Amino acid sequence: EIVLTQSPGTLSLSPGEGATLSCRASQSVSSSYLAWYQQKPGQAPRLLIYDASSRATGIPDRFSGSGSGTDFTLTISRLEPEDFAVYYCQHYGSLYTFGQGTKLEIK
Amino acid sequence: EVQLLESGGGLVQPGESLRLSCGASGFTYSSYAMSWVRQAPGKGLEWVSVISGSGGGASYADSVKGRFTISRDNSKKMLYLQMNSLRAEDTAVYYCAKGMWSRKNFDSWGQGTLVTVSS
Repeated sequence: EIVLTQSPGTLSLSPGEGATLSCRASQSVSSSYLAWYQQKPGQAPRLLIYDASSRATGIPDRFSGSGSGTDFTLTISRLEPEDFAVYYCQHYGSLYTFGQGTKLEIK
Repeated sequence: EVQLLESGGGLVQPGESLRLSCGASGFTYSSYAMSWVRQAPGKGLEWVSVISGSGGGASYADSVKGRFTISRDNSKKMLYLQMNSLRAEDTAVYYCAKGMWSRKNFDSWGQGTLVTVSS
């Protein structure tokens, strides 16, 4: 079973700064099955990125995904106040797996 | 617009059963796999189960295998999760989630329904 490890656990930044979130898989995975989600308190998750680097419908271009093999990154350029949330990576192997999440908080 | 609306959550005692429902609209329901994903209080996301668009195939997380059963009624655009032998560790918000076309991601989510298992 593939394990996804996200880092850091918490990231403290200010609006306007850039953010880099990491998702590392315990073994090499297909980029086609790597996604990122955003979840705000009291809300359902929202799909941001699929296929490791494709933005979902309606997602601003300040969100970008990259990576391959075991290392994947979600980058948010120029943080907006509404971007402070928890972010999860997700992969499908034979079953679905989520990382434990990275909390992006206002510094 | 895709809409998913869960219902059926509540407080139950350990060992009891509960059935969750999810009503779908805004897309060709029978064409898409559907999943249940849960989130324990203050914790991360955990995938629970998936069912194919036709309903002919389903998979489960090891944590619920043998206790939970996913099903769907395409004529009613409904998704279900029958949960038996509930345990305290099943306490969570349960989301239904729509599978993305030809991808293994979830592109739409319901607002969730809370299941609490406690004596």
